[in-house]
Amino acid sequence: GESVGLHLPTLSVQEGDNSIINCAYSNSASDYFIWYKQESGKGPQFIIDIRSNMDKRQGQRVTVLLNKTVKHLSLQIAATQPGDSAVYFCAERRSQGNLIFGKGTKLSVKP
Amino acid sequence: DSGVTQTPKHLITATGQRVTLRCSPRSGDLSVYWYQQSLDQGLQFLIHYYNGEERAKGNILERFSAQQFPDLHSELNLSSLELGDSALYFCASSVWGTNTDTQYFGPGTRLTVL
Repeated sequence: GESVGLHLPTLSVQEGDNSIINCAYSNSASDYFIWYKQESGKGPQFIIDIRSNMDKRQGQRVTVLLNKTVKHLSLQIAATQPGDSAVYFCAERRSQGNLIFGKGTKLSVKP
Repeated sequence: DSGVTQTPKHLITATGQRVTLRCSPRSGDLSVYWYQQSLDQGLQFLIHYYNGEERAKGNILERFSAQQFPDLHSELNLSSLELGDSALYFCASSVWGTNTDTQYFGPGTRLTVL
């Protein structure tokens, strides 16, 4: 079926290390993907997006990689900080504009 | 702060009741989306409005309805509430509502049905 899901529900990393959060999608026709960060008690916050005609996109301390062959998306966070602790969602944009979200990965950063 | 505002922040009500959730999009945004976030279903798309008109429907129950007003704020009406309707309700806004738009989310309304 059509779904966007995450490989790991939780991820714990040491402060200063790099974090990698993975996401699998099943709709091969998907052409636009977004990563959101959700802190406790807040709404999802846009981090970075990528179109299907790209395989990599970089932002500030974040990089998104897209592998269309295996329908896999990843978010890399460099030099992870305590403020990065949150739940991270990948989302797929539908043609009507709405988002289909994965289940989320909780990132915990150990000081 | 995304620029999207939602009221109220918390809402506690009883089964069978009706509530209205309000969303004000970012200045200049024409599209409003409503999402429901629950522990078992995650973030689910409910409905999308663009400039006052309904554009797309997702997993929205018939007991739920929404509208977008001429000033572009939107309201989500939930009626005949059930325990299972307890969840976080988010609205998001974007400029046009196309594939190229970024959706910015509000802080959400936490609904508790007792």
